Amino acid sequence: QQPVQSPQAVILREGEDAVINCSSSKALYSVHWYRQKHGEAPVFLMILLKGGEQKGHDKISASFNEKKQQSSLYLTASQLSYSGTYFCGTEETGTASKLTFGTGTRLQVTL
Amino acid sequence: GAVVSQHPSRVICKSGTSVKIECRSLDFQATTMFWYRQFPKQSLMLMATSNEGSKATYEQGVEKDKFLINHASLTLSTLTVTSAHPEDSSFYICSALKGVNEQFFGPGTRLTVL
Repeated sequence: QQPVQSPQAVILREGEDAVINCSSSKALYSVHWYRQKHGEAPVFLMILLKGGEQKGHDKISASFNEKKQQSSLYLTASQLSYSGTYFCGTEETGTASKLTFGTGTRLQVTL
Repeated sequence: GAVVSQHPSRVICKSGTSVKIECRSLDFQATTMFWYRQFPKQSLMLMATSNEGSKATYEQGVEKDKFLINHASLTLSTLTVTSAHPEDSSFYICSALKGVNEQFFGPGTRLTVL
C-alpha cells in the first residue's frame, strides 16, 4: 500500500508557503522527497533518516516523525520554479533501499 | 555529482516487437539499480530491483518473462520489454543507488506501442 500524500493539489502565489504531508502505514527507515516536472524524471530533494530528522535546503525543509510514520515537506517563499509534482518515497525497515512512492502532490505556483 | 542516463528517451514500436532500454550511471558505480513504470498522472511504481551479477528481484504482479532485466556491469542495467503490447505503453524510469540509500533517477524513456 503506497503512502498517502496531502493535499492532492495546491495552487500558490509566488512568495506563499506550503506544507505537503506524507503518511505511511508501515514502519519506516527513511523518507525521500522528490520533485517531478511534467515529462521529466523525479529530481532528488532530500532524504531523512530514522531519528526524527529535520533538514533544510535553501527554502525547502522537511521533518520525519518515525513514530507516527509521517513526514512533511515545507516550502517557504515559493518560487515559480517550485511548480511540479512532489512525491515522497518511503523506505521500510529491512527492505534494502527499496522505495515506495506516495500518491503525489501537484503544486502550481503563479505570479 | 550523480548522473544517470537512459537510452532511448522515446521509442515507438509495433505491437509484438521487443524494446530494450538502457540505464547507465555515468559518474559512479551502482551495484543496485531500480526500474519503475509511471502511467500518466500517477505515481512511480517499482517494477524490479536490478543487482549487478545476479538475478533481478521483481515486484508482485510484474511478469519476469515479459520484462527482462540484465545488470551486466556496475554502470549498466538494461530492461527489455518483450512482445510489447499497447498496454505496455508507459514512462519507464530507472534509478541507480549511490551509497547506502540515495537513488538518482535517469531522464526516463517514453514507450508507445502501436
